[in-house]
Amino acid sequence: EPEVTQTPSHQVTQMGQEVILRCVPISNHLYFYWYRQILGQKVEFLVSFYNNEISEKSEIFDDQFSVERPDGSNFTLKIRSTKLEDSAMYFCASMVGLPPLHFGNGTRLTVT
Amino acid sequence: RKEVEQDPGPFNVPEGATVAFNCTYSNSASQSFFWYRQDCRKEPKLLMSVYSSGNEDGRFTAQLNRASQYISLLIRDSKLSDSATYLCVVPNQAGTALIFGKGTTLSVSS
Repeated sequence: EPEVTQTPSHQVTQMGQEVILRCVPISNHLYFYWYRQILGQKVEFLVSFYNNEISEKSEIFDDQFSVERPDGSNFTLKIRSTKLEDSAMYFCASMVGLPPLHFGNGTRLTVT
Repeated sequence: RKEVEQDPGPFNVPEGATVAFNCTYSNSASQSFFWYRQDCRKEPKLLMSVYSSGNEDGRFTAQLNRASQYISLLIRDSKLSDSATYLCVVPNQAGTALIFGKGTTLSVSS
């Protein structure tokens, strides 16, 4: 069964550094998402992306965050200057056109 | 009303028990609803989709009450492997994202 793949599985970075989290959505999917989950808390929507542009973003997705689909397969989330509170599990998800969402295994980001 | 609200849990039940989780949602225009299951530190995985009044899949039954804006998940004959967090998921007002509830934790013991 096709899967959403995310790399790396764990990223440790220092406060203030830039990080790029990578995702390869399922190949025929058209809608792409990033969610995050701080340890012990709920899964929170960050951003949705369709037709090479952001279709929706949450309050969390401020100017420090950006997304890109640089080629036909990758979908990236960049955090420009990481803060301690950015430490979380980041999940990429995709769907064909209608729900449900298919999630990747996640990237655990630790900011020290 | 919050976009998605769930029973806080945790629910601790013995094997074989029947357990039900509730979820209320605010977007009256929503046409689709989902229950996801999340194991500790893993990604959410789709358990059931609900597009009409309800859905049944083996031991799992989801019911939808549009008038009360309420979805439930019933698990019959609980197994140890059912221990997880169950997430209620509904579309946002614009239909551009799926919003997750905080989840209800189930612990099944022998």
